Amino acid sequence: DAGVIQSPRHEVTEMGQEVTLRCKPISGHDYLFWYRQTMMRGLELLIYFNNNVPIDDSGMPEDRFSAKMPNASFSTLKIQPSEPRDSAVYFCASSPPGGVGYTFGSGTRLTVV
Amino acid sequence: SQQGEEDPQALSIQEGENATMNCSYKTSINNLQWYRQNSGRGLVHLILIRSNEREKHSGRLRVTLDTSKKSSSLLITASRAADTASYFCATDGTGNQFYFGTGTSLTVIP
Repeated sequence: DAGVIQSPRHEVTEMGQEVTLRCKPISGHDYLFWYRQTMMRGLELLIYFNNNVPIDDSGMPEDRFSAKMPNASFSTLKIQPSEPRDSAVYFCASSPPGGVGYTFGSGTRLTVV
Repeated sequence: SQQGEEDPQALSIQEGENATMNCSYKTSINNLQWYRQNSGRGLVHLILIRSNEREKHSGRLRVTLDTSKKSSSLLITASRAADTASYFCATDGTGNQFYFGTGTSLTVIP
């Protein structure tokens, strides 16, 4: 398995633009997590899915953030409109049934200017 | 907050020495995990310890858990330059989610 695949690796966008981050989890993993990492706040859990259903989105900072998981092999995190304070590294992770031992993707480094 | 807190924030040692990192948390847990993050990369799962376990080993790694003190420690023995990374503890929430601490930055000097 190629692991958790995230795209793009880097994204630079202007304030106000829409940004879409993508994630392909490991096949057979039924949990998917989106985290955001910054120096100031560390790793923050934004949202997680189980069997494609959002379970807890209490970490999503604002209505500008939305996440979907239309099928077991794909998820998106969208920011619309983007702001400079959204600049961070966004990680996707998946885990198997039983849910321990996350596998992380390499992350998307987002810069909003 | 459910996040753990690692201590120290940064640690610098000579190759061959042992490195010990600590994690404290606030709420009861079922599981605690340790992860490593190399610069610019995603996190890599190292080891999981359950609340009914006190100690666990994996290669040069030794993890302890004291639920009465709400704390865990990660010991890396005979450190190598390749162990240079940030190390995070993660504690579980009410569902299947884990909350990560602030991390310890370890530098192993060759």
